[in-house]
Amino acid sequence: SSELTQDPAVSVALGQTVRITCQGDSLRSYYTSWYQQKPGQAPVLVIYGENNRPSGIPDRFSGSSSGNTASLTITGAQAEDEADYYCNSRDSSGNHYVFGTGTKVTVL
Amino acid sequence: QVQLQESGPGLVKPSETLSLTCTVSGGSVSSGSYHWSWIRQPPGKGLEWIGYIYYSGSTNYNPSLKSRVTISVDTSKNQFSLKLSSVTAADTAVYYCARAEYYGGNSHHIDYWGQGTLVTVSS
Repeated sequence: SSELTQDPAVSVALGQTVRITCQGDSLRSYYTSWYQQKPGQAPVLVIYGENNRPSGIPDRFSGSSSGNTASLTITGAQAEDEADYYCNSRDSSGNHYVFGTGTKVTVL
Repeated sequence: QVQLQESGPGLVKPSETLSLTCTVSGGSVSSGSYHWSWIRQPPGKGLEWIGYIYYSGSTNYNPSLKSRVTISVDTSKNQFSLKLSSVTAADTAVYYCARAEYYGGNSHHIDYWGQGTLVTVSS
């Protein structure tokens, strides 16, 4: 079982804001990165480090962290944001990478 | 632009060894600050990190798979490889190779992924 826990599914109305969370003790010490995965495709990095977006990722995606919880926020969700989202960081030992359980985002 | 491409058999028999190779273009596996990684995703399920290798050959494996996993690198071919022994149906998954950039001792992110290859374990 994963050491990083995410809500299985969330929904958001078109144009509204949704926050996806990732919880784990290791997040107090290590940064989290976030990945978007659409059906049949490889994951795509959307947020990394303190709150960095790779080139080409819209600025409606943002990241934050507090204590043992990291968050990915989509401000003004678009239809194309409907996807699975995974967080990634270290495990509690700090020695290994680990993915969160994943959150399916539905845009209504 | 870095590109990664997985190759290997799409069907493996139970108890045998799964072998995949990742060919890197547009970048070098000999570059520092990168962990060359393998990640898998069973059908309909989440992502699971398998392990990574540094260009020097040092490795780090998921503890749950460590007894069965070997990751190696061939700098002359700009490739790295995965071997997973004693496979069962539970190892059926899409296998991705990827590049993880790490920095600062407490941060990393996976910036490039292969397209993924489905490996089915079945007799």
